[in-house]
Amino acid sequence: QVQLQESGPGLVKPSETLSLTCTVSNVSVSSGSYYWTWIRQAPGKGLEWIGYVYNRGSTNYNPSLKSRLTISVDTSKNQFSLKLASVTAADTAVYFCVRDYWSSLPPQFDYWGQGILVTVSS
Amino acid sequence: DIQMTQSPSSLSASVGDRVTISCRASQSISNSLNWYQQKSGKTPKLLIYGASNLQSGVPSRFSGSGSGTDFTLTITSLQPEDFATYFCQQSYYIPRTFGLGTKVEIK
Repeated sequence: QVQLQESGPGLVKPSETLSLTCTVSNVSVSSGSYYWTWIRQAPGKGLEWIGYVYNRGSTNYNPSLKSRLTISVDTSKNQFSLKLASVTAADTAVYFCVRDYWSSLPPQFDYWGQGILVTVSS
Repeated sequence: DIQMTQSPSSLSASVGDRVTISCRASQSISNSLNWYQQKSGKTPKLLIYGASNLQSGVPSRFSGSGSGTDFTLTITSLQPEDFATYFCQQSYYIPRTFGLGTKVEIK
């Protein structure tokens, strides 16, 4: 069974960098069949696609976050990571790591981590 | 970006009711439309992919239809465990985008 698990600090100060890691089990993050994706959900709000990494390092980001965002992959640990710089209270959300099964046309988000709440506050 | 418009934003229904939720894309996305169910405080769960394909393990009372810009999620005979929020999502374009959700509440 494919599993994804987010980890990282639950509290980040304004203007600092939010850093999260997703550990993937039972499938390789090196597989070219999937986009390894981050999605977030602000409290009481809808779902926002942040971006993905695939094929050992290629990325695609939401234009609204692109200037602050870095998503990377560590194939030796079977993990991928998110870094979001210069955070504000608007970045407070539950962050999900997700598998985008892009090669199963049409694509779908078929496996999700449990999510991690990150609060931006001093 | 492709805008996904869901309607209604919320509805009240009784156990056993037939429920229909609509989703409209701002431009054609072929059949690249997925539906997710999210219960309070939980992770979204894939119900329907490719507009009409039932994800493995999802009860057959859930069905999806549509193509192009207009899509529908139908729940026949609503069950107590179906009270949740439902999101549509397009997977034709990057960035992937979601509807704002439809909350199905108990009448």
